Amino acid sequence: EVHLLESGGGLVQPGGSLRLSCAASGFTFSSYSMTWVRQAPGKGLEWVSAISASGSDTYYADSVKGRFTISRDNSKNTVYLRMNSLRAEDTAVYFCAKLTGVHPMYYYHMDVWGKGMTVTVSS
Amino acid sequence: QSVLTQPPSVSAAPGQMVTISCSGSSSNIGNKYVSWYQHLPGTAPKLLIYENNKRPSGIPDRFSGSKSGTSATLDITELQTGDEADYYCGTCDTSLSVLVFGGGTKLTVL
Repeated sequence: EVHLLESGGGLVQPGGSLRLSCAASGFTFSSYSMTWVRQAPGKGLEWVSAISASGSDTYYADSVKGRFTISRDNSKNTVYLRMNSLRAEDTAVYFCAKLTGVHPMYYYHMDVWGKGMTVTVSS
Repeated sequence: QSVLTQPPSVSAAPGQMVTISCSGSSSNIGNKYVSWYQHLPGTAPKLLIYENNKRPSGIPDRFSGSKSGTSATLDITELQTGDEADYYCGTCDTSLSVLVFGGGTKLTVL
């Protein structure tokens, strides 16, 4: 069964850092691009970042560019989201999702989702 | 402000049909496939439609999608109370090199 499990969320102070992890199972992880999506309280889904299957290409929403870094370790079947300089507006449930091909800009529908993990930025 | 525009809410009675629209531009919907997602609060979003009108395995044919020009629609027929959820369209924006969602539409089954 295909499965994604996020970890690493929690409470962090403004200006702080956090690293989210998403462990994948049930599919050939190295063959698929991956993405992070978030939902702030009372808001809709917002795409955050994506990474190609090999990890060579990364993409970011303007709202996180320069502060967040997506990466992956195909030997560990895990994708990461390093979040620096966190702001109150980054408070959200963060989902990781599997895309359906090797490159996010060509295969961009999200067919498997994790259950999500809460990140709260507050003093 | 989302790149893709959806109505904030739609409603209909059980057994009826509802249509949710998603409007974009030539740099996204106009030359890219559209996906639709169902999201119940507290759960993982679910892929309903991909490549404009294809259903993943397990999605009932009450859900259908279409695209024309720079707009897409999701139709849900034979509404059930269990269909109450938020629905999002999504695609890729080639000019911005980003993935995008619509603002979401809350479906109420009266």
